Amino acid sequence: GAGVSQSPSNKVTEKGKDVELRCDPISGHTALYWYRQSLGQGLEFLIYFQGNSAPDKSGLPSDRFSAERTGGSVSTLTIQRTQQEDSAVYLCASSLRTAYGYTFGSGTRLTVV
Amino acid sequence: AQSVTQPDIHITVSEGASLELRCNYSYGATPYLFWYVQSPGQGLQLLLKYFSGDTLVQGIKGFEAEFKRSQSSFNLRKPSVHWSDAAEYFCAVGGGETSGSRLTFGEGTQLTVNP
Repeated sequence: GAGVSQSPSNKVTEKGKDVELRCDPISGHTALYWYRQSLGQGLEFLIYFQGNSAPDKSGLPSDRFSAERTGGSVSTLTIQRTQQEDSAVYLCASSLRTAYGYTFGSGTRLTVV
Repeated sequence: AQSVTQPDIHITVSEGASLELRCNYSYGATPYLFWYVQSPGQGLQLLLKYFSGDTLVQGIKGFEAEFKRSQSSFNLRKPSVHWSDAAEYFCAVGGGETSGSRLTFGEGTQLTVNP
């Protein structure tokens, strides 16, 4: 597509429920990233996919967080047993090469009540 | 480890005034450097980037930035600010594909523009 698409744009969930956030990157972009932005904070790296390589999961804050990328395209970030501290905007980005920079989606605002 | 420091959390300027947003980075090799802008409720938009060549780079919306290796800095400038420039600005540093490609972002600088 023309840009990085994320869905849903907003998600309100009850504490303890599981949520899935979706990212559809720009066609042909081999790299896909997930970041988290808490209120008034910078961007916290979560996970990175590059082609068929094993993902870099070093930023995932706990084992409640997982992500997959199917067919080298769409990615899903799953948060199990959500907690209030998981409330944030989750941003997805894709790139063809690092030197070109990332293209970000508009994000999913997750609120855990 | 790579890191980025944006010393100014919040800057206020008058419309038409010049602007400089500071960014200092830590990286073990020649870095890739970026500035992004985020308007309220929006994703991040790339303003400009540096990875080699001329140390003064031009970006969109009249912004420019200068890479100074000796000072580990990549400050963003604009000669005359417009009200529409009010937003949050993020500096980021990373390496090439062989370095894992992950960008590390600063905490951001919130820009307010007074009429």
